[in-house]
Amino acid sequence: ELKVEQNPLFLSMQEGKNYTIYCNYSTTSDRLYWYRQDPGKSLESLFVLLSNGAVKQEGRLMASLDTKARLSTLHITAAVHDLSATYFCAVDKGGNQFYFGTGTSLTVIP
Amino acid sequence: DVKVTQSSRYLVKRTGEKVFLECVQDMDHENMFWYRQDPGLGLRLIYFSYDVKMKEKGDIPEGYSVSREKKERFSLILESASTNQTSMYLCANGPGPINEQFFGPGTRLTVL
Repeated sequence: ELKVEQNPLFLSMQEGKNYTIYCNYSTTSDRLYWYRQDPGKSLESLFVLLSNGAVKQEGRLMASLDTKARLSTLHITAAVHDLSATYFCAVDKGGNQFYFGTGTSLTVIP
Repeated sequence: DVKVTQSSRYLVKRTGEKVFLECVQDMDHENMFWYRQDPGLGLRLIYFSYDVKMKEKGDIPEGYSVSREKKERFSLILESASTNQTSMYLCANGPGPINEQFFGPGTRLTVL
């Protein structure tokens, strides 16, 4: 069974600071997705990473994929309050079947 | 924009009731999925479908069934609801491999 581990599970950070969320997975895959979920809302797609070395950036968020290490990172630069949310990574095991991590709950403190 | 709608945002049912959760998408996507989301467990795949009349079990299909009679509609059925099926249920769809999935707003189901 494919396992997807995120850490940390909870992250409290001050505005203006940088931090990285890690997503490790247990089987070969070169398709990884990042989602954001606001409280009481559904999941919103952030990044689609489809090859080793892929890097995508949107605003203060940057995601990367290392398929050899089976690791993806979501880097937050100069955090702002609006980034407070839960972030999920999801690995495609094939056939568009996703396995999700447990999520990282991010709180940005003024 | 891809639009995914779910029949209810909140639902309260009694143990033993048959429960229907409906999902409709308007973008002609082939693949549709049902997940449940529980704190500390992330999202877990219940069932999915790649085409009309077709269904495949996900990781936790026990106690659930699905129906896909039309391309745009994918229903999740709890044959006899139990308290351990209290959860947030999320429907998703996608156009196929190497594409992200698009999620509906979710149904928070409480079984008493």
